[in-house]
Amino acid sequence: DTGVSQDPRHKITKRGQNVTFRCDPISEHNRLYWYRQTLGQGPEFLTYFQNEAQLEKSRLLSDRFSAERPKGSFSTLEIQRTEQGDSAMYLCASSHWTGNSNQPQHFGDGTRLSIL
Amino acid sequence: DQQVKQNSPSLSVQEGRISILNCDYTNSMFDYFLWYKKYPAEGPTFLISISSIKDKNEDGRFTVFLNKSAKHLSLHIVPSQPGDSAVYFCAASAIGTYKYIFGTGTRLKVLA
Repeated sequence: DTGVSQDPRHKITKRGQNVTFRCDPISEHNRLYWYRQTLGQGPEFLTYFQNEAQLEKSRLLSDRFSAERPKGSFSTLEIQRTEQGDSAMYLCASSHWTGNSNQPQHFGDGTRLSIL
Repeated sequence: DQQVKQNSPSLSVQEGRISILNCDYTNSMFDYFLWYKKYPAEGPTFLISISSIKDKNEDGRFTVFLNKSAKHLSLHIVPSQPGDSAVYFCAASAIGTYKYIFGTGTRLKVLA
């Protein structure tokens, strides 16, 4: 399977704990994106990377959230001191940017986070 | 401020008939539009896209129409099949940005 892979698929944790999610993009894709989706809503943009550089962060990404893509391949999203409102589906997507045309983002199956 | 709106939360269509899903947007800077399909417990799957220089794009049973003056796009599925039953999201991105703004989705049910 050469699609976007996310791990874990489900995470249940107590309020106040830290959690980390991993995303492995499609191998030749140089752009990687994180989105969050809550019930009844479409995905909302959180942040994106081009190679290892984090180029944009949404205002949704509070200082409890941090994302990295250290070698320009996989990425991690960490949430510190989780709160009830962090419960959501966290989606990762990737795309290949050539500089001269739009290419669609391809999504993984997400990590569903539940805060007790 | 919902920049991308899907005003129909659900739609039911008979198998073999046409499904038409609609999407409206408010930001005139959007220049790239996409439709995604989502099954339960899976991530969104890319279906079809259109750039603002076109008004129509076809891929098999799927056609996307863009009306820039009305800030409206639609997805036509012909003929509809039971396997098309899913939630459909439209998305848009603005010139010079790479994040997608999504609508809230339309749940399509194709009845056999």
